[in-house]
Amino acid sequence: DTGVSQDPRHKITKRGQNVTFRCDPISEHNRLYWYRQTLGQGPEFLTYFQNEAQLEKSRLLSDRFSAERPKGSFSTLEIQRTEQGDSAMYLCASSLAKGLARNNEQFFGPGTRLTVL
Amino acid sequence: EDKVVQSPLSLVVHEGDTVTLNCSYEVTNFRSLLWYKQEKKAPTFLFMLTSSGIEKKSGRLSSILDKKELFSILNITATQTGDSAVYLCAATKTSYDKVIFGPGTSLSVIP
Repeated sequence: DTGVSQDPRHKITKRGQNVTFRCDPISEHNRLYWYRQTLGQGPEFLTYFQNEAQLEKSRLLSDRFSAERPKGSFSTLEIQRTEQGDSAMYLCASSLAKGLARNNEQFFGPGTRLTVL
Repeated sequence: EDKVVQSPLSLVVHEGDTVTLNCSYEVTNFRSLLWYKQEKKAPTFLFMLTSSGIEKKSGRLSSILDKKELFSILNITATQTGDSAVYLCAATKTSYDKVIFGPGTSLSVIP
């Protein structure tokens, strides 16, 4: 257990429905990342927060995806009008960035596995 | 476009064998090379490499980075069944610690 938690761990939904996932990072970590991982592939970067500010979004993140981190602590990832191609493991990671400290290790949560029928 | 390539994509060895996993990268504004182990759950951190030629070691695992050839290897000696996992290589960039993962090498260690 890395200290990063995600909820739910599994989600099955029908195509066209909206889903929301939650990530609780390690409490003192100021950076939070979302990744998507499909079978046989490494995690793909989706988006990243420094405190409550969303600083970078991947081109993979279509308009149907939105992420928030309202108080700089937990984060939510919402997918609207889900498609079968959205089926994947959604991973959250957090890290602590200190000033000019580089190469901050990212700690991953257990992931939310989404299946869109 | 940034990319990380790993080889082989899968590998089956017997307990006690030594394995070498390969990772090459083409990443602009490269900062560091990371190795993770993933066993049907979230990746767990193994090594972070920032300098060429300096070997990092943890028990039976070791890794080294060649920044000139844009290459890293992960060695596992005297493999055990508990080493069976997907080993992910990733490169970080200087901007916001963005991480680009490779596809992983699936290692199976059979008794």
